[in-house]
Amino acid sequence: DAKTTQPPSMDCAEGRAANLPCNHSTISGNEYVYWYRQIHSQGPQYIIHGLKNNETNEMASLIITEDRKSSTLILPHATLRDTAVYYCIAVRNRDDKIIFGKGTRLHILP
Amino acid sequence: NAGVTQTPKFQVLKTGQSMTLQCAQDMNHEYMSWYRQDPGMGLRLIHYSVGAGITDQGEVPNGYNVSRSTTEDFPLRLLSAAPSQTSVYFCASGEQGSGEKLFFGSGTQLSVL
Repeated sequence: DAKTTQPPSMDCAEGRAANLPCNHSTISGNEYVYWYRQIHSQGPQYIIHGLKNNETNEMASLIITEDRKSSTLILPHATLRDTAVYYCIAVRNRDDKIIFGKGTRLHILP
Repeated sequence: NAGVTQTPKFQVLKTGQSMTLQCAQDMNHEYMSWYRQDPGMGLRLIHYSVGAGITDQGEVPNGYNVSRSTTEDFPLRLLSAAPSQTSVYFCASGEQGSGEKLFFGSGTQLSVL
């Protein structure tokens, strides 16, 4: 599985767009990019995933570079409730051993 | 639809005691897994299962046993608890028969004294 690299922490002002980067330079063609977040001590929550194309849902947008070596999760209008640890992982189709890294701790500043 | 339910939410054990952390899901997911999370750390995979009767080891399986006799349940057993097993434990189930899109429980906070 491709290793992903994320900055350990980031700050974002409330109301602004939060752009969380993820590097996955060794990603293979059949690996999806998945994003999860973990608010305080709760269980992680699925946000979004994509293969090649950019994706958008009610929570966030996912931008994947054309060479697929990196991606950015965008929270368009960050609120204090978006303060969490965000995990980016690369997952093969039918993958069954899902390994998480340490993620990015996002602080939303009032 | 309760999703993934973990019990208990909190547990304190003495060194050497045994216990079982329960995990149940009502979404008919074939895939289930257990993670542990130490303070300030990320998630580490303990064991996983791709269906009833099938289990396999993750990153940190030592000291833990699992079984999967039904699709709904995936208990995690600590046979002889050690202080190093003090952690928060999360159970997850997978929507697509694998680990591709995981739903997590709310966690069990375990302290071993």
